[in-house]
Amino acid sequence: GAGVSQTPSNKVTEKGKYVELRCDPISGHTALYWYRQSLGQGPEFLIYFQGTGAADDSGLPNDRFFAVRPEGSVSTLKIQRTERGDSAVYLCASSSGASGRTGELFFGEGSRLTVL
Amino acid sequence: AQKITQTQPGMFVQEKEAVTLDCTYDTSDQSYGLFWYKQPSSGEMIFLIYQGSYDEQNATEGRYSLNFQKARKSANLVISASQLGDSAMYFCAMRVISGGSNYKLTFGKGTLLTVNP
Repeated sequence: GAGVSQTPSNKVTEKGKYVELRCDPISGHTALYWYRQSLGQGPEFLIYFQGTGAADDSGLPNDRFFAVRPEGSVSTLKIQRTERGDSAVYLCASSSGASGRTGELFFGEGSRLTVL
Repeated sequence: AQKITQTQPGMFVQEKEAVTLDCTYDTSDQSYGLFWYKQPSSGEMIFLIYQGSYDEQNATEGRYSLNFQKARKSANLVISASQLGDSAMYFCAMRVISGGSNYKLTFGKGTLLTVNP
C-alpha cells in the first residue's frame, strides 16, 4: 500500500491476555518505529528497528513488551499478560533512514488497545 | 534529555483567520530538528513542517510557517487562512541530530485546534 498500515485498528482484550499488533511499513523503508500514545498525551517512543534488528528498545516499559521484524519489513508488537495500564493507541511509523534532511516519520493510523 | 512544552490544550480560530500554536523546547544539544505534526480524528500523524537548529530562515510550507526563535527556545506554528479541515490535534516534536539517538522523536502533549465557520 501507499502508507503505513496497522492492524487491528481496534483491539479489546481482557486483563492477562496476550495481544499482537501488526505494522506494515511503506515499501522500501528500512527504519521502523513503535510509539505509544496514552489519552491526552503525545506519542512516546517504544522501539526502533533498522532492518531486521532492534537498534533501540529502551522505550519498552517492561519485559511484557516485545517486538520483532524478522524479514526487515512487517513488524509485530507483542504484549504478554496485558494490564489495564497498557490501554493506549500504539502507533507505528517508518522512514527511509535514520538520518537525512528532516528524518520525518510516516505514521500509520494506530491500533487502539483497550484492556478491560 | 529533551522536553517539549505545549501550553495551549485547546485553541479556537475563525475560518480564514490566522492562528499561532505555541511550542517551547528544552535541550542541551546544539544540533537538533523541530517538527510539527497534525493528528486528525482518524489518528494518523501527518508531517507538516520541519526546522533545523542551524537553518537561518524560518521554515514555510504552504499555509504553514514556523516562527523559530532559537534564543527563546520556541518553535511556534503559524497557520494562515484557517480552513475547517485544519481542525485537529497538533503536536510539536524534536529530534537531536548529534549523537546516537538521532532517530528518536520527543513529542509535546499537543494542542487541539478547532476552526469555527
